[in-house]
Amino acid sequence: AQSVTQLGSHVSVSEGALVLLRCNYSSSVPPYLFWYVQYPNQGLQLLLKYTTGATLVKGINGFEAEFKKSETSFHLTKPSAHMSDAAEYFCAVRGFSDDKLIFGTGTRLQVFP
Amino acid sequence: DSGVTQTPKHLITATGQRVTLRCSPRSGDLSVYWYQQSLDQGLQFLIQYYNGEERAKGNILERFSAQQFPDLHSELNLSSLELGDSALYFCASSVGVGALNYGYTFGSGTRLTVV
Repeated sequence: AQSVTQLGSHVSVSEGALVLLRCNYSSSVPPYLFWYVQYPNQGLQLLLKYTTGATLVKGINGFEAEFKKSETSFHLTKPSAHMSDAAEYFCAVRGFSDDKLIFGTGTRLQVFP
Repeated sequence: DSGVTQTPKHLITATGQRVTLRCSPRSGDLSVYWYQQSLDQGLQFLIQYYNGEERAKGNILERFSAQQFPDLHSELNLSSLELGDSALYFCASSVGVGALNYGYTFGSGTRLTVV
């Protein structure tokens, strides 16, 4: 079975500061890992995904994440936060042969001027 | 616009009633997923259809049912509604299944309020 844990339900950063959102996964099979973003009153938008290959994955809006098997982590980072990054971020996992995504509880990112 | 269309956007109904939520997947996507998002449960997988057939079932109540039609649109039926069914219901679609499933595209959701 797969699961994800997002550490920190709320993260606050200043504009221009580093964004780090943490995600740890549990999977009995090689995982596919995803980060989604949800803006208020909208659906979820795919930021980036790891399937196989390069462990550093670049996504949209300047975000990237690194798959670290030894740490069972897939943390999301962005070097410099913008006000427009304020949203809720969800980490998700699925097994290789399992289609459904299992989502974490989400991290709400606040960006202060 | 993600390409996944959900209607209606908002729905207010009374306890005990029945509602139908509709989803049209992105063009070319054969698989449809339904999720429920609530404050206390987070994002919960309900059910998946692939090319008209049920493929996986999650935490879907017996009062809820779904189907996918030949034109690939899907409907989620919720009956005997309770206050606790109030939530955002998302539909998502993907091109393939298994190894060909590289992530979903989500619709903007239907917000259901049961009063």
